[in-house]
This record gives sequence, C-alpha cells and structure tokens, in this order.
Amino acid sequence: DTAVSQTPKYLVTQMGNDKSIKCEQNLGHDTMYWYKQDSKKFLKIMFSYNNKELIINETVPNRFSPKSPDKAHLNLHINSLELGDSAVYFCASRGLAPSYNEQFFGPGTRLTVL
Amino acid sequence: QKEVEQDPGPLSVPEGAIVSLNCTYSNSAFQYFMWYRQYSRKGPELLMYTYSSGNKEDGRFTAQVDKSSKYISLFIRDSQPSDSATYLCAMSTFHLTGNQFYFGTGTSLTVIP
Repeated sequence: DTAVSQTPKYLVTQMGNDKSIKCEQNLGHDTMYWYKQDSKKFLKIMFSYNNKELIINETVPNRFSPKSPDKAHLNLHINSLELGDSAVYFCASRGLAPSYNEQFFGPGTRLTVL
Repeated sequence: QKEVEQDPGPLSVPEGAIVSLNCTYSNSAFQYFMWYRQYSRKGPELLMYTYSSGNKEDGRFTAQVDKSSKYISLFIRDSQPSDSATYLCAMSTFHLTGNQFYFGTGTSLTVIP
C-alpha cells in the first residue's frame, strides 16, 4: 500500500504554463510538506501544512500556491512556469507522536520546463 | 552560509569497506539529527535518527552526534552494493505542529562489488 503518493510522476511543459501536482497520504498524519530538490540533490523546504493550516512558508515565489483541502491532501499549483522551476518536487508527511522526526516522502514529481 | 553542510562526494568504495559520512551545522538549537537514504529516482527514506549527542547503532549502521562540535556522522560497516545511494543528513528543532527540517546536499555513495 502506498503511504505517500504523488501525481503526476513526470511533468514536461512549456514556459508560461500553469500546472498542478497532487499529493495524498494514507498514514493519518497531521503535517505535510512540499520540498524542491535541485539537480545537485539539495532538498529545500517550500511549505508545510498542519491540519489544513499553513505553518511554514519559505521564501518561495508567489507563483507557487499550496492548497490543503483536508489533512490527507496537499496540492501544489504553479503559475507562469519558468525554466528555473525545473526540479524534482517531493511531498512528505510527518509522523505522529512519538515519531515526530520521521518524515515519509512520496516518490517525487520530476518537472521539466522547456 | 547554509544551515547544514555536507560533502557531496561522490564517494566510491569496494564492497566490505567501512564508510564514513559527515555533516556539520551552524544552528546550535538543532536537537534532532537524521540520516536519509535516497536511491536514484526515488524519494528519501529515513535510515536513522538520534536525539541530542551520542551514538546509535542499527545493524551495520551507526549514527554519531557531537553537539559541542556541531558535527554528525554516519558509519556503514561491511558496505554492500545495495548501499549505493545518496545519503542526506537532516536536522530539526521540535515544534508540535510541524518541525522545520534542514537537509544537507547529500553524499553520493557507490559500493563496488
């Protein structure tokens, strides 16, 4: 059974387009995250939601807008895509007590902007 | 300066070797220290985590934390080809509604049969 799932797995699109990535977790966790991993494997946090509420909002262009319809889902919408947005985007959820420091990652969405 | 520094490698070792992976950090408020393993084209998976200073062992893996030096290590004994992956260190302070995790850039490891 998939714990954290993301769709789509691959996304190839033109500059200027708008796209969305969806994430779902079936672990019953309260906190979910979006990360961006660049070509050098650096994993940088973008957003975090706890029970549908935005908790962490790092310095990310406002073209990126997360949405959490319920605590099991955290979607990421990106407007006016740019070449520099090409990366792998990972969704993750955080474990419940006492496993607060365990994160479960999705398989990633590889975004290529042409 | 990044919060967490990690030598990206790549590191290439023969099967059976002892591997040492390291990270340094600047934020003395970090209390939780984690190592993740990431296979190619997969998401990271938690390997080990430790709280504060000390050692933790799990099979062939040993994690060490030295808070006074702001230095953490992961040792892999009797390395296997299946250990070939990128290893990411991560650190956080605790927050009830959502820890913020800071990751190193990852060290790429290849174990040669």
